Amino acid sequence: ILNVEQSPQSLHVQEGDSTNFTCSFPSSNFYALHWYRWETAKSPEALFVMTLNGDEKKKGRISATLNTKEGYSYLYIKGSQPEDSATYLCAYNTNAGKSTFGDGTTLTVKP
Amino acid sequence: GAGVSQSPRYKVAKRGQDVALRCDPISGHVSLFWYQQALGQGPEFLTYFQNEAQLDKSGLPSDRFFAERPEGSVSTLKIQRTQQEDSAVYLCASSRTNQPQHFGDGTRLSIL
Repeated sequence: ILNVEQSPQSLHVQEGDSTNFTCSFPSSNFYALHWYRWETAKSPEALFVMTLNGDEKKKGRISATLNTKEGYSYLYIKGSQPEDSATYLCAYNTNAGKSTFGDGTTLTVKP
Repeated sequence: GAGVSQSPRYKVAKRGQDVALRCDPISGHVSLFWYQQALGQGPEFLTYFQNEAQLDKSGLPSDRFFAERPEGSVSTLKIQRTQQEDSAVYLCASSRTNQPQHFGDGTRLSIL
């Protein structure tokens, strides 16, 4: 993996469904992996900062895991709500401070 | 304000004109990033400053693009001799070193 790749590109779920999506990143020069939530007509907002292999972070119904050895992170949303509809971006940070973003996963939660 | 401020919010220019986009980062944030965002895609890295030093400009698409941050605070992204393919949203973000970035609302640039 040379770039940051996110999958799926988009996801449509029903309210109450649980869902997850993937961020793949280079395993070299890793410093941190950031997850952002980007709502339409707003700027991205940080959700999680993950630095250590095996890290798990949780905020309400949203959680994330990190595997730096194989270069992936999962974002989970339990019991999706319409207000969770947004694009979820991950960004891979090197120890030189540069951030590389994926193209995001766009989640639509139908009531 | 407490957030990252970008101006103008919208800019329309004729092809061939020069444009300048401004970013006011959060006070105390040493890192400042510029991104270009096309419709339906994530932010594409353009350049990155640590204080006044431009540490990485590998994402600038051509030598028509120039960014500066002379006093380590406000930054300006300049695009010379604009082309239609320059039309995009330009996002600025600031952070403490290697901390999550705080984004501005972006400047939507349209080249006619």
